[in-house]
Amino acid sequence: EAEVAQSPRYKITEKSQAVAFWCDPISGHATLYWYRQILGQGPELLVQFQDESVVDDSQLPKDRFSAERLKGVDSTLKIQPAELGDSAMYLCASSLPLAGYNEQFFGPGTRLTVL
Amino acid sequence: QKEVEQNSGPLSVPEGAIASLNCTYSDRGSQSFFWYRQYSGKSPELIMFIYSNGDKEDGRFTAQLNKASQYVSLLIRDSQPSDSATYLCAVNIKGTGANSKLTFGKGITLSVRP
Repeated sequence: EAEVAQSPRYKITEKSQAVAFWCDPISGHATLYWYRQILGQGPELLVQFQDESVVDDSQLPKDRFSAERLKGVDSTLKIQPAELGDSAMYLCASSLPLAGYNEQFFGPGTRLTVL
Repeated sequence: QKEVEQNSGPLSVPEGAIASLNCTYSDRGSQSFFWYRQYSGKSPELIMFIYSNGDKEDGRFTAQLNKASQYVSLLIRDSQPSDSATYLCAVNIKGTGANSKLTFGKGITLSVRP
C-alpha cells in the first residue's frame, strides 16, 4: 500500500541547533504539504509545494524555517536555529495533482523536542 | 471567529452507542470537507470526505453536510473502544487544484466506554 514516508520519527535537540526533516510523498502525488501540530491543536499548514514550486508559504517562519523540493519528489524541512517553541509534531502530507477534492494523506510524522 | 470550529468535547459514549461529532466552518466558498481520525501519538488518518449536501455513508461512519448552515458532522454507529481517538474536521477553503488548502479544527476527543 502506498504511504508517505518521513524521517526521523523522533528528534531531540537543544535550542539554537539545526534540525532537518525528510518526506517522500506517495508516488505520483505532485502536491506536498508540511504541517506543524502542537499538542491539543489541529495541524497548521507551514508550506505547500506543487511539484518543485512553492504554492503557499505564508505561515512559514522564514527567519528560521526553510523548505525545499528540488526535484519535485521528496522534500526537506529545516529549522535553524531551533527554539523551545518549535517542539511539536511535524507532519508531511501529499495529494493528487489538480484532481479530486484535495484528499490529503499523512505520513507518520516527526516528533520534535527542543530542550 | 476561527475558520473551522469543533467546540463540543471531549465526548464519552458507551460501547454500541452512536457518537455524533460536529463541526462548523466560516467560509461559504468551501467545497469539500474531511474527517480525520488521530490516535494518540500518531498522525491523522483520512476516514471520510463529503462535498455534496446530505449524507454519505461508509460502513459504521456517516458524514452529513449542510452548506446552508455551514455545518458538517460525523456519526459513528455501534461505537467500539477502538474508535477512541481524536477526530479532526478539515475544510477545503480555497477550491480545487494547486490552490487547494485544508484548514483543520482543533479536534474532538472521543472515548468509547466498554
